[in-house]
Amino acid sequence: SAVISQKPSRDICQRGTSLTIQCQVDSQVTMMFWYRQQPGQSLTLIATANQGSEATYESGFVIDKFPISRPNLTFSTLTVSNMSPEDSSIYLCSACVMQQETQYFGPGTRLLVL
Amino acid sequence: GQQLNQSPQSMFIQEGEDVSMNCTSSSIFNTWLWYKQEPGEGPVLLIALYKAGELTSNGRLTAQFGITRKDSFLNISASIPSDVGIYFCAGQLSGLQKKSSGDKLTFGTGTRLAVRP
Repeated sequence: SAVISQKPSRDICQRGTSLTIQCQVDSQVTMMFWYRQQPGQSLTLIATANQGSEATYESGFVIDKFPISRPNLTFSTLTVSNMSPEDSSIYLCSACVMQQETQYFGPGTRLLVL
Repeated sequence: GQQLNQSPQSMFIQEGEDVSMNCTSSSIFNTWLWYKQEPGEGPVLLIALYKAGELTSNGRLTAQFGITRKDSFLNISASIPSDVGIYFCAGQLSGLQKKSSGDKLTFGTGTRLAVRP
């Protein structure tokens, strides 16, 4: 199995500011992903974090709003830029571990934008 | 885009009862996964299904991959209070011979389970 940690676990932010969320995996991984889970809703994929190159974004998500970095195999960051109350959500990191079929999830970062 | 519909949306059952929930898709997936999410946590994988028609068990949980590859169900037998949570199905385009482009998951709408002691 893999242990995925996220920082911060939660935050309350002011409108117009930006927050960077960190994701660290304790195993070698192939793919890393960022999801958003709005209150009471399912998970929606934001983007695939690619090592050493630009992330691949899903429809409805853009790099200017959600810049993503992945400087090495086990670490990635997601920034939520110029936040508004509509960005209040849980942001989850996930990863596929090498030699395994399973996609593991971090505990999530709970963001409230006032 | 693709959408996975789960039913029922929520269930409130008595401890000891069996639970059944299902997930349907408008398109084919080559892998079906069932996750459980508890409050304040990320989803945890319960069962993975890789072959159409496959029936797989994990303790009191049993899941099946539909023949059409467009649906799956999850059964929980003899429910206990710690089964409380939200259960999500997820479809993945890649199968056992994985291609990176197919690794992303499409999640279902979720089934919220409450168990009365």
